[in-house]
Amino acid sequence: QQQVKQSPQSLIVQKGGIPIINCAYENTAFDYFPWYQQFPGKGPALLIAIRPDVSEKKEGRFTISFNKSAKQFSLHIMDSQPGDSATYFCAASRARYQLIWGAGTKLIIKP
Amino acid sequence: DGGITQSPKYLFRKEGQNVTLSCEQNLNHDAMYWYRQDPGQGLRLIYYSQIVNDFQKGDIAEGYSVSREKKESFPLTVTSAQKNPTAFYLCASSGSGRAFSDEQFFGPGTRLTVL
Repeated sequence: QQQVKQSPQSLIVQKGGIPIINCAYENTAFDYFPWYQQFPGKGPALLIAIRPDVSEKKEGRFTISFNKSAKQFSLHIMDSQPGDSATYFCAASRARYQLIWGAGTKLIIKP
Repeated sequence: DGGITQSPKYLFRKEGQNVTLSCEQNLNHDAMYWYRQDPGQGLRLIYYSQIVNDFQKGDIAEGYSVSREKKESFPLTVTSAQKNPTAFYLCASSGSGRAFSDEQFFGPGTRLTVL
């Protein structure tokens, strides 16, 4: 009930393609769903986040789609670029100060 | 230039030795966190602190200890009781209390290798 399951583990997409990363959760009490981007040897940085009262949120080329009934949310990257190559983590907030993290997706955008 | 600093970037220790990882922030955040990151796994919460002189155990606190004597600093000690200490350790901070924010800001991490 406390897990966030992320897939796929790794993903290779051609430049300009639309990588999609999916996450699923069990606990309906989770109320905040962020995506973080991490480059090698660096700490993660917040990319975009959503709360369960909306079904979609866009920020630039990044979109979160949220399906409350299915308990799933996904990250879409439009017009992907080689600079988007990184590891992406979804997470969910089970309580203030407590994020539960997915296992991460290593994304490679081929030029 | 606001941010979080962690030192050192790489740390090597012999088995059985305690080691302390440094984390300092100048973001004026009340809350601070320590996470452990292993290959193929997400981040796991070790300890968090909502305010000075207070901290709570996370999901994997066994073998670790922390202190929070200053707002800016949240050092993590990896003790000899931690069975598998080799990992990448990340420190983070966020707003707390009235200024609470879900967004956590991360430092660059410390890679600890126990030989």
